[in-house]
Amino acid sequence: NAGVMQNPRHLVRRRGQEARLRCSPMKGHSHVYWYRQLPEEGLKFMVYLQKENIIDESGMPKERFSAEFPKEGPSILRIQQVVRGDSAAYFCASSPVPGQNTEAFFGQGTRLTVV
Amino acid sequence: KQEVTQIPAALSVPEGENLVLNCSFTDSAIYNLQWFRQDPGKGLTSLLLIQSSQREQTSGRLNASLDKSSGRSTLYIAASQPGDSATYLCAVKVDQAGTALIFGKGTTLSVSS
Repeated sequence: NAGVMQNPRHLVRRRGQEARLRCSPMKGHSHVYWYRQLPEEGLKFMVYLQKENIIDESGMPKERFSAEFPKEGPSILRIQQVVRGDSAAYFCASSPVPGQNTEAFFGQGTRLTVV
Repeated sequence: KQEVTQIPAALSVPEGENLVLNCSFTDSAIYNLQWFRQDPGKGLTSLLLIQSSQREQTSGRLNASLDKSSGRSTLYIAASQPGDSATYLCAVKVDQAGTALIFGKGTTLSVSS
C-alpha cells in the first residue's frame, strides 16, 4: 500500500495561471480531505469529498478554487488565476468509512509557489 | 466554534529528558483527537488517536492522554532523542459524519544531543 500520493511535490506558477494538484488516496479509501497550510499557520480544512460527490466545501474560497474526486482517477484541487496569497502547502488526507477509531492518513503535500 | 491551541509554540530540551506537549480545545464535544508529527517540508505522520471514550493511548515512548471535560490533551514523550525533533500537531474531529480535523498550530520540538 503506497499511502496517500500527492503530485507534484512542488509547483511554481506565475500570477494568473492555473494550478492543478492531484491526490491519490490509499487503496480502499473513498474519503478525501484537502487542507491548506499557510506559513506560520496551522492546517485549515478546505473541502471533503467522496467518490463523485462534494460533501463539505465550507473551507474553500468561493472563487477560483474547485475540487473533484471522479469515479476513476485521483482527486484534483484546481486553483484558477493564482495570486501570491495562494502560495502555501496543500495537503490531502484520506480515510475509509469514517468511524471513531478511523485515522486520517496524509500525503506529503504539494508546495505551491506563486511568482 | 471549535478552536485548538497548543502550548508552548516551541520547546528545546537536551537529549534524554521526558517532556509534555499540551493541547487544549474549546468545545468538549469531540469525536476523537489525533496527534501528528510533521518534519520540515514533509507531510503529517499519525502518532496516536484517542477516541472520545478513551483516557489515553500509548505507542512506544509516546503516551497521549485525553480529558474531555476540561478540554485538554497531553502528549508525553519519554527519554527524548534528537530524532524526535519535529513539529507536533494536535487535531480534533468534532462529530461522526466524516467531518474534517481541526488543527492547532503545533509545538516545534528541538532535542539536542
